Amino acid sequence: LAKTTQPISMDSYEGQEVNITCSHNNIATNDYITWYQQFPSQGPRFIIQGYKTKVTNEVASLFIPADRKSSTLSLPRVSLSDTAVYYCLVGDLVPSGGYNKLIFGAGTRLAVHP
Amino acid sequence: NAGVTQTPKFQVLKTGQSMTLQCAQDMNHNSMYWYRQDPGMGLRLIYYSASEGTTDKGEVPNGYNVSRLNKREFSLRLESAAPSQTSVYFCASSEWGDQDTQYFGPGTRLTVL
Repeated sequence: LAKTTQPISMDSYEGQEVNITCSHNNIATNDYITWYQQFPSQGPRFIIQGYKTKVTNEVASLFIPADRKSSTLSLPRVSLSDTAVYYCLVGDLVPSGGYNKLIFGAGTRLAVHP
Repeated sequence: NAGVTQTPKFQVLKTGQSMTLQCAQDMNHNSMYWYRQDPGMGLRLIYYSASEGTTDKGEVPNGYNVSRLNKREFSLRLESAAPSQTSVYFCASSEWGDQDTQYFGPGTRLTVL
């Protein structure tokens, strides 16, 4: 499983765009990149997943360069309600050897200020 | 759809007591998981069930047992609780072919005195 590295914490202000970068130098050919969001006292919530280039949904965008050794989660115009911990995970969606354990590291604590 | 539900929401136990945490999902998912999350840390996998009738150990299985009662329900049992098991417990489910997209319950906050 590819190890991921992301900043421990970030601060932003309402209305700004926030970009959280995750490094995964040892990503394998079959690995996908998945981001989860966790609010205080709640379980993590899947927000976006991608393999290469750019993926966008109603919540965020995910930018993945050609070498796939990093990825950037982009949150447009954040609000106070975007204050949460964001986890970057890398893994094979359908591993041949059985369950592909998701590794939730400490994540990035994003604090959005008024 | 309720998604993934967990009971109870909070529980306080004394050392040595036993209890069962319940989890149910209504998304017809094949796979279910139990995680624990200690303060300021990420989640660690305790046990998982790839499909009905199968269970396997995760990263931190010691002190726990699980039962996949049917496709919907997956319970976690602490036979003799210890203070080191004080944590927040999350249940999750997914399709086996899409393990990276897991749906989590609201969690059970357990304190062992």
